[in-house]
Amino acid sequence: NAGVTQTPKFQVLKTGQSMTLQCAQDMNHNSMYWYRQDPGMGLRLIYYSASEGTTDKGEVPNGYNVSRLNKREFSLRLESAAPSQTSVYFCASSEIDTQYFGPGTRLTVL
Amino acid sequence: QKEVEQNSGPLSVPEGAIASLNCTYSDRVSQSFFWYRQYSGKSPELIMSIYSNGDKEDGRFTAQLNKASQYVSLLIRDSQPSDSATYLCAVNRRSGGSNYKLTFGKGTLLTVNP
Repeated sequence: NAGVTQTPKFQVLKTGQSMTLQCAQDMNHNSMYWYRQDPGMGLRLIYYSASEGTTDKGEVPNGYNVSRLNKREFSLRLESAAPSQTSVYFCASSEIDTQYFGPGTRLTVL
Repeated sequence: QKEVEQNSGPLSVPEGAIASLNCTYSDRVSQSFFWYRQYSGKSPELIMSIYSNGDKEDGRFTAQLNKASQYVSLLIRDSQPSDSATYLCAVNRRSGGSNYKLTFGKGTLLTVNP
């Protein structure tokens, strides 16, 4: 039982490049989330998906898109990366109200 | 007022002491409360959840909740160097249907000195 997995662990992009962060969970949870964590800012919700086929914006959605591919997978896409998107990205999943986090992706945009 | 506020820290305690971490929240309809531990370079790890007023104990950890004062705390007894980490307070409320909104504080860095 791997819990929540994320790929890649590290990524360096140039401004304007695109990429997709992948997240998968094997806990059969309905809800999945994407957060970013920046020094001094704490964890901020980007997007979430309450169930397969639904997605909603969080606190900081600008510059991102998401896809809930199936119950297990929830991806985050940066269409045109900007230096302000340099951050650590965490995926989480939950059943009811307790969230469990993946190991994170450290993204640097140059 | 920020939704979830924690002691900014850092907090430093000697090994064996009690570490006390505090958190206040602004949304009175919040329903569930969590403490996560985050080691440097790692992801948040759930250590305690509490739903009702009073104390909840789990090993060396005790979570305390006072909904009237909108206050939640975490006590770590017999602190160990391995407890050195950032502790995140998180507050959850139902936002419709099966949706829950979890709001995090910025965290308190705890250092336990041998």
